[in-house]
Amino acid sequence: DGGITQSPKYLFRKEGQNVTLSCEQNLNHDAMYWYRQDPGQGLRLIYYSQIVNDFQKGDIAEGYSVSREKKESFPLTVTSAQKNPTAFYLCASSPRDRGNTEAFFGQGTRLTVV
Amino acid sequence: AQSVTQPDIHITVSEGASLELRCNYSYGATPYLFWYVQSPGQGLQLLLKYFSGDTLVQGIKGFEAEFKRSQSSFNLRKPSVHWSDAAEYFCAVGGSNYKLTFGKGTLLTVNP
Repeated sequence: DGGITQSPKYLFRKEGQNVTLSCEQNLNHDAMYWYRQDPGQGLRLIYYSQIVNDFQKGDIAEGYSVSREKKESFPLTVTSAQKNPTAFYLCASSPRDRGNTEAFFGQGTRLTVV
Repeated sequence: AQSVTQPDIHITVSEGASLELRCNYSYGATPYLFWYVQSPGQGLQLLLKYFSGDTLVQGIKGFEAEFKRSQSSFNLRKPSVHWSDAAEYFCAVGGSNYKLTFGKGTLLTVNP
């Protein structure tokens, strides 16, 4: 089945540790996105990538890093510089044809930093 | 900068009643507009989208939305709400820059 896979579903880390969230898609989409969701805040864009080996900062990129070495993969690293990393993280992809930004979402990863 | 405003944080309706969720956007060019729905702890599912053409668009689960350029709005409607529609609803705007921006969401509660 085509789709977006985020792993793991739940992740616990100690404060000060970097952690990497996985996102893989087999939809052959060019564009991929990472969002952070907090209660009452909606979805806030962290990073997005329109094409392999290229990505742009979103609205809240500080304390995060990404890579896009393969079309199907867009991992997100939450670094120790992120002041409040506990949140629900959503990965998405879109076809990027004719400006089509219709996004398809994974099931999310809930990160808890203790 | 592009942005989306959903003025209603929480709406409660009775089952069978009509529903309208408001969405206002800001975008410098022709927008692409979306409505998504999210159940607790899950990802987002696309309800409907507007790219061009007819300003009244139909989506899944009996939802529809109307694009009004003069009001910068894209309100979501449903004639008769079912208990299974209880969820959080997000409006989003995107375009040729491929940046997709979401509103803060509207939580819908359905009373029996």
